[in-house]
Amino acid sequence: DTEVTQTPKHLVMGMTNKKSLKCEQHMGHRAMYWYKQKAKKPPELMFVYSYEKLSINESVPSRFSPECPNSSLLNLHLHALQPEDSALYLCASSQDREVYGYTFGSGTRLTVV
Amino acid sequence: GNSVTQMEGPVTLSEEAFLTINCTYTATGYPSLFWYVQYPGEGLQLLLKATKADDKGSNKGFEATYRKETTSFHLEKGSVQVSDSAVYFCALVNFGNEKLTFGTGTRLTIIP
Repeated sequence: DTEVTQTPKHLVMGMTNKKSLKCEQHMGHRAMYWYKQKAKKPPELMFVYSYEKLSINESVPSRFSPECPNSSLLNLHLHALQPEDSALYLCASSQDREVYGYTFGSGTRLTVV
Repeated sequence: GNSVTQMEGPVTLSEEAFLTINCTYTATGYPSLFWYVQYPGEGLQLLLKATKADDKGSNKGFEATYRKETTSFHLEKGSVQVSDSAVYFCALVNFGNEKLTFGTGTRLTIIP
């Protein structure tokens, strides 16, 4: 298995809703990432988990809450989002990233109404 | 800090034309360099990579050479196809740094 799987592919949520995005990989990668991508922009790093511990939080608002239950799973819990949070949310994983790069999932297209 | 500069898009070419997308970088040490491709409505796919000076990455007819003297990693393809229409991102990572630094992306459209 050489993929990063993200669910759901599309999500529409209201500003008072609570939802979660899920990311899964079975490549044995020990680093996992959440990125946010707005239209016509490059991805922006949100969070990094290394060996299941949060190692980087790029000053992301607390309405985004990451969780890494085990080495294969990464969740992003969403609560009280704003319309400007609408974007493509990408999960990625890596092992020896300087040699092999990062493997990205196909993303969750989030719309906040 | 690290930065990546890509040629401004969008780029429109006819099928079978020669493609060059310029990428230059600023980084400390010896970064690894990547080209990622994003097809409409999809995530990013690693297209090719190079980890040291003078390395040439290649995949699907695309090539890029790590030029340390000019701090460049230009993407080339000899004969583009309609299916190559996508957004291309140049990126780098330093050893020991978790953060992948992206260029702004170049939108490529190939017309039949």
